[in-house]
Amino acid sequence: GQQVMQIPQYQHVQEGEDFTTYCNSSTTLSNIQWYKQRPGGHPVFLIQLVKSGEVKKQKRLTFQFGEAKKNSSLHITATQTTDVGTYFCAGRNYGQNFVFGPGTRLSVLP
Amino acid sequence: NAGVTQTPKFQVLKTGQSMTLQCAQDMNHEYMSWYRQDPGMGLRLIHYSVGAGITDQGEVPNGYNVSRSTTEDFPLRLLSAAPSQTSVYFCASSSSTGVTEAFFGQGTRLTVV
Repeated sequence: GQQVMQIPQYQHVQEGEDFTTYCNSSTTLSNIQWYKQRPGGHPVFLIQLVKSGEVKKQKRLTFQFGEAKKNSSLHITATQTTDVGTYFCAGRNYGQNFVFGPGTRLSVLP
Repeated sequence: NAGVTQTPKFQVLKTGQSMTLQCAQDMNHEYMSWYRQDPGMGLRLIHYSVGAGITDQGEVPNGYNVSRSTTEDFPLRLLSAAPSQTSVYFCASSSSTGVTEAFFGQGTRLTVV
């Protein structure tokens, strides 16, 4: 079945440094979503990407969908302590349910 | 607007006991789903429903039952709890299975001893 992987599993950064997490699917995706989960919280939707090569920005967050629609990335510029949490990608293969990656846990040292 | 409400927030069960995790949404969403979250494994889909009266299995359905008698409610039943079912359970809803964001409940932390 479809598999979604994320790297790295953990990332520790100093406040102000940039951060990137990568998501890779074993199959071509129709769309991909990103979620953020704060420690002890529940996943919260960030964004959805649909088009090949699509790039979307939300303030300091930049999301990309690969040309082949099999990978995606989330980049945070100048991290802040409020960025702490686990970032999940969830990929959907046409007509199927979303499959979540294992997540990247980000810690930000002040 | 409450969104997705899960109860209870915490539960301890003995091996072999049964229980029902409750999930209710007030957004009139057709699609509802249950996930379990284990360390390092992300969220795995247990069961889902595309509307009242329709349910289907996800990736890890064994040991769980669901029903969807109304649009609002989607309870998850553990038939005979096992230690392997110790996990955090999330219910989610969305207006459509493929194109819209999922709204998650606060989660239920279940421990089976």
